[in-house]
Parts: sequence; C-alpha cells; structure tokens
Amino acid sequence: QVQLQESGPGLVKPSGTLSLTCSVSGDSISSTNWWTWVRQPPGKGLEWLGEIYPSGGTNYNPSLKSRVTISVDKSNNQFSLRLSSVTAADTAVYYCARALSVTRYFDYWGQGALVTVSS
Amino acid sequence: DIQMTQSPSSLSASVGDRVTITCRASQGVSRYLNWYQQKPGKAPKLLIYAASSLQSGVPSRFSGSGSGTDFTLTISSLQPEDFATYYCQQSYRMPPITFGQGTRLEIK
Repeated sequence: QVQLQESGPGLVKPSGTLSLTCSVSGDSISSTNWWTWVRQPPGKGLEWLGEIYPSGGTNYNPSLKSRVTISVDKSNNQFSLRLSSVTAADTAVYYCARALSVTRYFDYWGQGALVTVSS
Repeated sequence: DIQMTQSPSSLSASVGDRVTITCRASQGVSRYLNWYQQKPGKAPKLLIYAASSLQSGVPSRFSGSGSGTDFTLTISSLQPEDFATYYCQQSYRMPPITFGQGTRLEIK
C-alpha cells in the first residue's frame, strides 16, 4: 500500500520560507511517476503547485514559479517543497500526492499539513 | 491556463437521488479529466480518471462521461457517505494542472 506523509513546521513568519517534506512508503521515489504538491487555503479549492520526476525534471505553477522549488531525495525516498517570500495568502493545507506519469491523475495523497503564515 | 468551471457550485439532494455534476473546460482537454471527492478535514480521493475510468475500489454508482470541453460526474443513487465536495481536474495542457472550484453536495 502506497503511503505519503507530509512533515515540516506548522508556522512560518511572513517573508520567510516554507519547507515541507513528503515521505513515501510502498513505492520507490525513482518509479515512473510524478511527485506533486497541491495546496488548499482554508475553506477554498485546490491549487496545484508543481511536480518532480525521478530524473529531477520539474514543472511549476507559473503563478508561483519564482518562489517555488521542488526537490527529490532518492536515498530517503522523499521529496520536498520550498516556498519563499511567504505571506498570509500562503496559509493553507499542503498535500503531497503521486501522479501517474502520462495522465497526471493523483491516486495517492498524504493526509495534509496545515501551514500558517503569521508573525 | 485552462479554466475549469463546475456547476452547480452547491447542490442539495436526498439519499437515493441521481445526481449529476458538470465540469466545463475553457479549452479542449481531450479526455484528460479526473474527478475527486473530498470530505471535511481529509485529502481528496480519486474517483474517476481519464473522464470515464472508475478508480479501483470506488463504488459503481459513480460514473463519468465527456470529452473535449464538457464532462459530467454522475452518482446513480446517493448514499449517506457521498455527501462531500467534488472537484474536477485537467492535465491536458500544463503547466499548470488546474482544478474546478468544487461542487458541495449537501443533504436535503
């Protein structure tokens, strides 16, 4: 059974950098899937942030491109999200998910991590 | 970016009802259209992928149809556990991958 688990600070100061890690079990981070981050502000809809392929190839949401970085750690079977220059608008539940390679549907999700941006 | 518009935004229905939710794309997305169910405090759950393929373990009362710009999710006979928010998602033209705004299905 594939499982994903987000971890990281739940509180980040404005102008700081949000950092989250997704630990994957039941599948290899080197498999032919895209590893993805999606967020959901409180009471709002879903926003795709970006994805990474095992080779290191990435795609990012253009609305965030200059602030977001996704990386992979094959030795620990993890991938990570960094979002810089955060504001209160970045307060959200952050999900990591697995996306099947061509069709990009998200078949496994983490439980989500609430990150609040506040001083 | 491809905009995904769901209708209605909210819906009240009763157990046993047949319910249809519509998703319209601002440009054609072929059949690269997926549907998710989300309950409060939980991650989204994949229901339908590639417009009409039922994800393993999802009850057969859920079905999807459409191609191009117009898609539907149908629940043939609502069960109590189906009251949730539903999202469509396209992956045809990306980045970015985009989601609809959601349809909240409530008990009448």
